[in-house]
Amino acid sequence: GAVVSQHPSWVICKSGTSVKIECRSLDFQATTMFWYRQFPKQSLMLMATSNEGSKATYEQGVEKDKFLINHASLTLSTLTVTSAHPEDSSFYICSASGDRDADEQFFGPGTRLTVL
Amino acid sequence: QQQVKQSPQSLIVQKGGISIINCAYENTAFDYFPWYQQFPGKGPALLIAIRPDVSEKKEGRFTISFNKSAKQFSLHIMDSQPGDSATYFCAASRRRTSGSRLTFGEGTQLTVNP
Repeated sequence: GAVVSQHPSWVICKSGTSVKIECRSLDFQATTMFWYRQFPKQSLMLMATSNEGSKATYEQGVEKDKFLINHASLTLSTLTVTSAHPEDSSFYICSASGDRDADEQFFGPGTRLTVL
Repeated sequence: QQQVKQSPQSLIVQKGGISIINCAYENTAFDYFPWYQQFPGKGPALLIAIRPDVSEKKEGRFTISFNKSAKQFSLHIMDSQPGDSATYFCAASRRRTSGSRLTFGEGTQLTVNP
């Protein structure tokens, strides 16, 4: 159990376009979802935390107007990278935690974004 | 106070050997300590986790040792296999009613030679 999926698994886009990444909890209700960014050979950097039906809480230094997060249901959160630029190229990973154990986070497989 | 320091940065072990990765934390409010395994191009997967009411937890070949007074915890991989070659992250969080925020260590790249 506790499966989290992400779509797409990889995306290439042109500079200036927007990209949407979906994160779904497949077999549990995710009361909280997290979005991380990971650069090669580095640790995970938390970008934002979102609770279903509430506005996301962004970490210091993360532009909320650039990285739009929507957590509209207990099984779906989306991250939209607006007006993407090459420096936004990274590995984006979501995770979710549910009612059963708020400590436990289950991670998605990640989305590789390349901005040309 | 939110940092989790992990060492070593990289580790090479022979097949059948023991891999040991260490983490130290500063925030005494942390009460959940998971370890994640990540393969290249994949998301992290929860390996094993411990809470501070026990000093050791074992699951198969994986053991967490926890020293509350020293604010340290470690992952031991017994009988290491080439398939264990991956990046390992320790993390810590403080229990909340919903969505505990994880603080990650820097990661350890483990290579198990055949």
